[in-house]
Amino acid sequence: SAVISQKPSRDICQRGTSLTIQCQVDSQVTMMFWYRQQPGQSLTLIATANQGSEATYESGFVIDKFPISRPNLTFSTLTVSNMSPEDSSIYLCSVVPGHLAKNIQYFGAGTRLSVL
Amino acid sequence: GQQLNQSPQSMFIQEGEDVSMNCTSSSIFNTWLWYKQDPGEGPVLLIALYKAGELTSNGRLTAQFGTTRKDSFLNISASIPSDVGIYFCAVTSGNTPLVFGKGTRLSVIA
Repeated sequence: SAVISQKPSRDICQRGTSLTIQCQVDSQVTMMFWYRQQPGQSLTLIATANQGSEATYESGFVIDKFPISRPNLTFSTLTVSNMSPEDSSIYLCSVVPGHLAKNIQYFGAGTRLSVL
Repeated sequence: GQQLNQSPQSMFIQEGEDVSMNCTSSSIFNTWLWYKQDPGEGPVLLIALYKAGELTSNGRLTAQFGTTRKDSFLNISASIPSDVGIYFCAVTSGNTPLVFGKGTRLSVIA
């Protein structure tokens, strides 16, 4: 597996502000993903973070709202921009370790965001 | 997008009872996975299934990949209080990111 560290673990933010979430992995990984989990719901894929190029966003998610960076094979950030209370969710980083033959995704502990 | 139908949505059981939950899909997938999410944590992988018909165990947990590649079940035997949590099925084919079911919320009454 891989050790995935997400920061911050939780935050309370005012509407209209932005929050950047960091995801650090202890080894190089081939793929990194960002998911959102709204209260009491399942996980929904926001985007695939591509190393050295623009992220690939799923339907319903746009770069202006959720800009993503992935400068190298061990680190990525997700920014939640111009926040509103509807953005209150858990945001999860997920990776596929490069040394594994199978497409198994591992998850960080998540960032719990509350927007007032 | 792809949809997984996971049932039941929630379960309340007595400690020591066996539990069964399942997922179905309208599409064929090459890999079925079962995760558990504890409060305040990210999902943790329990079992991965790669072959149609495959039956795999992990301690008290047993999961099977359906022969049609469109369904899977997870069984938990002799439940204990720490089994409490949300169980998710997830699927993928090739290098596509995981698609998750809606989850089964398990409560164990001591």
